Amino acid sequence: DVKVTQSSRYLVKRTGEKVFLECVQDMDHENMFWYRQDPGLGLRLIYFSYDVKMKEKGDIPEGYSVSREKKERFSLILESASTNQTSMYLCASSELAGVGDTQYFGPGTRLTVL
Amino acid sequence: AQSVTQLDSQVPVFEEAPVELRCNYSSSVSVYLFWYVQYPNQGLQLLLKYLSGSTLVKGINGFEAEFNKSQTSFHLRKPSVHISDTAEYFCAVRKNTGNQFYFGTGTSLTVIP
Repeated sequence: DVKVTQSSRYLVKRTGEKVFLECVQDMDHENMFWYRQDPGLGLRLIYFSYDVKMKEKGDIPEGYSVSREKKERFSLILESASTNQTSMYLCASSELAGVGDTQYFGPGTRLTVL
Repeated sequence: AQSVTQLDSQVPVFEEAPVELRCNYSSSVSVYLFWYVQYPNQGLQLLLKYLSGSTLVKGINGFEAEFNKSQTSFHLRKPSVHISDTAEYFCAVRKNTGNQFYFGTGTSLTVIP
């Protein structure tokens, strides 16, 4: 059974803190994604990675960075958390185009920045 | 560029009534189409997908969707909803040569007893 796990379900941080959100997949997928989900806005892509050490900016990369040192792990970093980064963060993975087609999601991390 | 439009942000429906959730997309190339469901405080689960072949696709929990290329639509339907179908539903597309997925803003389905 496919599995994408995220390190925390709920997280509360203070403004200015450095925040790490971790995501691990066990499906040997090349692609990994970070989205944020806000009411009325749906899912917005922050960053994605199609290979180890490779990354591409999504629609809203400002204030975020990512790290992919190993194929199975994709980290989202908030260098200096701000209150407008309070949101639900979803990680996902998929195979490369032409190989597979479906994106699989983790359970999400609800981040609150005070 | 791809875009996905879910026209209805909220759909209330009585239990055992039929429901249709609408999705339209724009793309200049062939795409794969998906519907995902999100229950409260959970991630997204795949409901069904269209890759090629028959335009009527059946998914889990009694849902189905029909791909209409001329109208660039992929509407989701269920003939009789249950309370447990209350959730957020997302339509998504992926170019058949691309790695990125594009999501609609979601439709919140509320089933009323």
